Formats: sequence, C-alpha cells, structure tokens
Amino acid sequence: AQTVTQSQPEMSVQEAETVTLSCTYDTSESDYYLFWYKQPPSRQMILVIRQEAYKQQNATENRFSVNFQKAAKSFSLKISDSQLGDAAMYFCAYRSSSGTYKYIFGTGTRLKVLA
Amino acid sequence: DSGVTQTPKHLITATGQRVTLRCSPRSGDLSVYWYQQSLDQGLQFLIQYYNGEERAKGNILERFSAQQFPDLHSELNLSSLELGDSALYFCASSVAGAPRGYTFGSGTRLTVV
Repeated sequence: AQTVTQSQPEMSVQEAETVTLSCTYDTSESDYYLFWYKQPPSRQMILVIRQEAYKQQNATENRFSVNFQKAAKSFSLKISDSQLGDAAMYFCAYRSSSGTYKYIFGTGTRLKVLA
Repeated sequence: DSGVTQTPKHLITATGQRVTLRCSPRSGDLSVYWYQQSLDQGLQFLIQYYNGEERAKGNILERFSAQQFPDLHSELNLSSLELGDSALYFCASSVAGAPRGYTFGSGTRLTVV
C-alpha cells in the first residue's frame, strides 16, 4: 500500500524569504501523480501544484516549485518570496495513475509566515 | 467558488442521530469522492462514485453510506453518530481519470455532542 509522510509538523518563514516543505512517499508503482494542496484557515482545499511521475522536469507555478526525486521518492515544495497569505496547512498527496484515483494524503505541515 | 457545492456548511447533532451531507459536483464532472478530515489531520478517503456507481471504498464505517443520484449529486449518510465522528467532511469531483486532480468543495463541519 502507498504511504505519504510529511515529517515537519510546523515550519516558519520570514516574509519574502524562501521555505521548503518536505514530503516522502512509498509506492511500488511507476506511474502516478503527486500534488501539494494548501488549506488556509477557511478550510478550503486549494491545489497548489501537481507533478506527473513520468515527467522528469520539476513543476512550477509562479512562486511555487517542486523538487521531484523519483528514485528517492521525495517530493518537496519550495515557496519563494513568501507572503502572509501563504500561511496555511500544506498537504502532500499521492494518486495512482490508474484504478480508483483516490488520494493518499500526508498529515500536513503548518506553515507560519512572519512579518 | 470552486464549483463543487456542499451543504450544509455546519451541522451540530447529538450522539445516536443520523445526518445527511449533500454534494453537487462541478458541472461536467462524473466522479465524486468523499473524504473525512478529523481535527488537524490529513484527509482520509471514504468512498468514490462514478456516474452513479460505486467505484471504490476506503476506510468507511458500516454506519456510513453514500450514493450518487442520476443528476450526479451525491449524499453521504452518517448514522448512529458517535463523538468521534466529529470532523470536516469534504466532497470532491473530477472528470473521468482526474488527470488534473480534483476540485474540492468547502466541506461540511460536523459536530457531534
């Protein structure tokens, strides 16, 4: 069975600085998707970025980028030029490329942004 | 507005009672997924429907059931409620295959007292 681990329960970053959130996963599949979701205090789940395992190029979305290391089964999220609005819980999620398409979520990292 | 509508937003009920949570998927999406998020935890997959049929079950209790109707809206029924069922229940929807992931609703906060 697949598992997703986020080993940092909480992180802090100064406004305008860069922070990296870690995520590791375990799977025997070769094709899958990985996601980072943001959950602000409103509790809405907001997709931040996605990565397809067969693509070697790391995904980027404006200030958000990932470092995808398939062999190491690592999928970290880098937030550049951090803003106060980035403060939230961040969840890493794994999804198989076939079958049920259910997500397996990590336990989350709470990001605090300091002014 | 994500396009996925969940009602009600908040629900407070007593132990032993039964409640129904409702979800209307984004227009064009045939798949509906239900997740449970207990306090400050990750989301746990409960069940998936595709075009009216059950596709997959996760860690869903026997006291819980769901269905997807011909108009594609879905309902999650929770019965014989216990204090531990208090959680945020999310519905999400996607097109077949979900290549770009899901769209989540804003959730229903259930409090069992």
